[in-house]
Amino acid sequence: GENVEQHPSTLSVQEGDSAVIKCTYSDSASNYFPWYKQELGKGPQLIIDIRSNVGEKKDQRIAVTLNKTAKHFSLHITETQPEDSAVYFCAASRSAGNMLTFGGGTRLMVKP
Amino acid sequence: EAGVVQSPRYKIIEKKQPVAFWCNPISGHNTLYWYRQNLGQGPELLIRYENEEAVDDSQLPKDRFSAERLKGVDSTLKIQPAELGDSAVYLCASSLGMGAETQYFGPGTRLLVL
Repeated sequence: GENVEQHPSTLSVQEGDSAVIKCTYSDSASNYFPWYKQELGKGPQLIIDIRSNVGEKKDQRIAVTLNKTAKHFSLHITETQPEDSAVYFCAASRSAGNMLTFGGGTRLMVKP
Repeated sequence: EAGVVQSPRYKIIEKKQPVAFWCNPISGHNTLYWYRQNLGQGPELLIRYENEEAVDDSQLPKDRFSAERLKGVDSTLKIQPAELGDSAVYLCASSLGMGAETQYFGPGTRLLVL
């Protein structure tokens, strides 16, 4: 089955700096890669996703890149703000509606 | 539009007792998922429903866990009897189905087994 590894497990940045979280996956048939943000006591919330036919996607301060050959994808957050502090999860799935396999999560702390 | 609704939000029980979690998906969403999230880890799928049919339950410990989705809308996940290792957050998610991948998660039920 699919295995998703995520690094780093914790990340501390100064407000205004950029943050980068990286994930690798094992199943070459995976073609959908969402990123979720989870705040304390809440369920994961989708922040951005990318499909395997696209190499990069951007939404305001958030961008995701995908390298299918190397089987890794990354989340980039620019101009970080204290409200970006949360746990971020990457995930991968083979096709629409299939199960998501999640990475272990990254706790991002943005210091004011 | 209301999101995925789950209840209860918190549950504390003693081991060997039964417990049930309820989920109401986003209106019109045909696919429903139950995930378990252990502390400090990502969610792991327990079961997936397409309408009222369970299409992926390979990760569901069937000796003590059961689930149902009558009429293809609400769903209930049950554990009987609960064990200490079942302490976790149980998350419900839903998606439109029919090729739509985006899964929307509920707030989860935090279970503590003593």
